[in-house]
Amino acid sequence: QVQLQESGPGLVKASETLSLTCTVSSASISSYYCNWIRQPPGKPLEWIGFIHSNGNTNSNPSLKSRVTMSIDTSKNQFSLHLSSVTAADTAVYYCARLLGYSFDSWGQGTLVTVSS
Amino acid sequence: ERVLTQFPDTLSLSPGERATLSCKTSQSVISNYIAWYQQIPGQAPRLLIFGASTRATGIPDRFSGSGSGTDFTLTISRLETEDFAVYYCQQYGGSPGITFGQGTRLDIK
Repeated sequence: QVQLQESGPGLVKASETLSLTCTVSSASISSYYCNWIRQPPGKPLEWIGFIHSNGNTNSNPSLKSRVTMSIDTSKNQFSLHLSSVTAADTAVYYCARLLGYSFDSWGQGTLVTVSS
Repeated sequence: ERVLTQFPDTLSLSPGERATLSCKTSQSVISNYIAWYQQIPGQAPRLLIFGASTRATGIPDRFSGSGSGTDFTLTISRLETEDFAVYYCQQYGGSPGITFGQGTRLDIK
């Protein structure tokens, strides 16, 4: 059973860059689309974007200008960088596997708080 | 932009009752592209239904999905205590790529 685990700072200062890594075990990330999804406290889920090892990427137009994603198949990891963060970026960030057209495996999520 | 609207926002029912949750899309969606998730507070979402009507691995048969075009439904035939949670629909494709509904909270009455 595939397992995903997010890691990274839980506190980021406003205007700086939020960086998270997702480590995947029990499955190679080379075969599917690796995604980032976030959920502000008390709010719905918001898709951030995906990356594939073949170089294909896509991200939510509302965040596209600030999002960079990378992938390291040798470590079975993928990463998210979100620049110029504000308090509105405070959320639980999830990494997830897209299998077909739905997310079948999720990390446990990590809370990132943006401080002023 | 493709928008998913779920209703009701909150549904209050008792264990043993039937729950019907709706998801309407602003544009017609291929059924393959619709999924449903359950989220218990403090936990990651769990995939329940994909392709509008196919149960994910390990999901009890009291959960079922249906619909086509712009109207999709998640039905829980006989509610159990562990089913009280927040439910999200999700669609793939169009702009902005992948979208979630705002969620329906299922409360114990």
